[in-house]
Amino acid sequence: EVQLQQSGAELGKPGTSVKLSCKVSGYNIRSTYMHWVNQRPGKGLEWIGRIDPANGNTIYAEKFKSKATLTADTSSNTAYMQLSQLKSDDTAIYFCALMGFAYWGQGTLVTVSS
Amino acid sequence: DVVLTQTPPTLSATIGQSVSISCRSSQSLLHSNGNTYLNWLLQRPGQPPQLLIYLVSRLESGVPNRFSGSGSGTDFTLKISGVEAEDLGVYYCVQSTHAPWTFGGGTKLELK
Repeated sequence: EVQLQQSGAELGKPGTSVKLSCKVSGYNIRSTYMHWVNQRPGKGLEWIGRIDPANGNTIYAEKFKSKATLTADTSSNTAYMQLSQLKSDDTAIYFCALMGFAYWGQGTLVTVSS
Repeated sequence: DVVLTQTPPTLSATIGQSVSISCRSSQSLLHSNGNTYLNWLLQRPGQPPQLLIYLVSRLESGVPNRFSGSGSGTDFTLKISGVEAEDLGVYYCVQSTHAPWTFGGGTKLELK
C-alpha cells in the first residue's frame, strides 16, 4: 500500500524559513514525480511545483519560483519542500502528492505569525 | 499558464439526483503524445483530495461507477449518476498536459 507521511504542523515567524517533509512507503519515489500543492484557509488547491526524484529536475509555478525549493532523498524515499521568507500569506495547508495525484499526504499546516 | 474554469461554483443536489460539473480550459489539453491529461479530484471536508478520474474518462481503482468523465480538447465534464451523501465536498479538475500544472477553482457539491 502506498502511503505518504508528512511532517507535523509548523509555526514560523515572518522572514524565516521552514522545511517540510513527505516520506513515502510502498513505492519507490524514483519512479514518479512528486508534486506539492497548497490550500490557503477556505480556498482552492494551488499547484506549487514538482520534482523528479530520479534526477532532481524541478518545475515551479511562476509565483513560487523564489518561495519554494523542492528536493528529494531517494535513499530515504523522502521529498522535501523548503519555504523561504515566510509571510502571513504563506499560511496554508501544504500537500505532497504523487503518481498523477493518485496518492496524497495528509497535509502539513504552516502558520506564519509573529 | 493554462486556466481551468469550473462551473458551477456551487451545486445543490438531492440524494439520487444526477449532476454534472464543467471544466473548460484556456487551451487544448491534447498532448503531442495523443493523451489528454485531465483529472478530476474530490476533496471532502478536512481531508486531502482523492483522485476520481484520470485521462479524462478513466475511473480510478475503487471509485464507484456512478462517476464518469467525458470531453476533449478544451471542454470536459464530470457526471455523478445518482448523488450519495458521501459525494459531498469540493470537486476539482486538474491538468498536467502543459507545465505548470493547474487546478480549476473548484465546485462545491452540497445537499439541497
